[in-house]
Amino acid sequence: DVKVTQSSRYLVKRTGEKVFLECVQDMDHENMFWYRQDPGLGLRLIYFSYDVKMKEKGDIPEGYSVSREKKERFSLILESASTNQTSMYLCASRIQGPWGEAFFGQGTRLTVV
Amino acid sequence: SQKIEQNSEALNIQEGKTATLTCNYTNYSPAYLQWYRQDPGRGPVFLLLIRENEKEKRKERLKVTFDTTLKQSLFHITASQPADSATYLCAPFGGGYNKLIFGAGTRLAVHP
Repeated sequence: DVKVTQSSRYLVKRTGEKVFLECVQDMDHENMFWYRQDPGLGLRLIYFSYDVKMKEKGDIPEGYSVSREKKERFSLILESASTNQTSMYLCASRIQGPWGEAFFGQGTRLTVV
Repeated sequence: SQKIEQNSEALNIQEGKTATLTCNYTNYSPAYLQWYRQDPGRGPVFLLLIRENEKEKRKERLKVTFDTTLKQSLFHITASQPADSATYLCAPFGGGYNKLIFGAGTRLAVHP
């Protein structure tokens, strides 16, 4: 059974902290994505990666960075967490090419206080 | 920039009726379009993919159309059931196959 696993289901961090969200997939997918989801705004793409060490900015990259040192792992980093980064964060992976479906993790509900 | 619009108002329908959801896109020409279902507190789950030359695709009670002239996809659920209640998201994508972006989704509520 295919799997995308996010390291935490719920996370509470303080303003200014450096926060790491981890995502691991076991399907040997080339593409991995980080989204945030807020009520009324839907899924917004933060960053994506199409290969190891390769990354591209999505629509809302400000305040975030990513790391992909191994094919199966894609990390989202909040350099200095702020309250407006309180959100649901979803990781996804898919094969390269136009027909691959995206598989999502269970999500991380991050609260910055 | 690429823009995807789905009806933000919730769609309420009676059990047994056909639900029709709309996805409109602007500023790009996707060759493929995917539809996903999302339940509260969970990640989206893939339902269907349609290619630009297919016009229509069916899977069980689901039917998707893709009109590249209107820049629109319609998603139909026939004989709807309360278990179909969820948020449905569309994801049109084109030449840049790596980037996958979604509409905000439409919440469907099927009442017994």
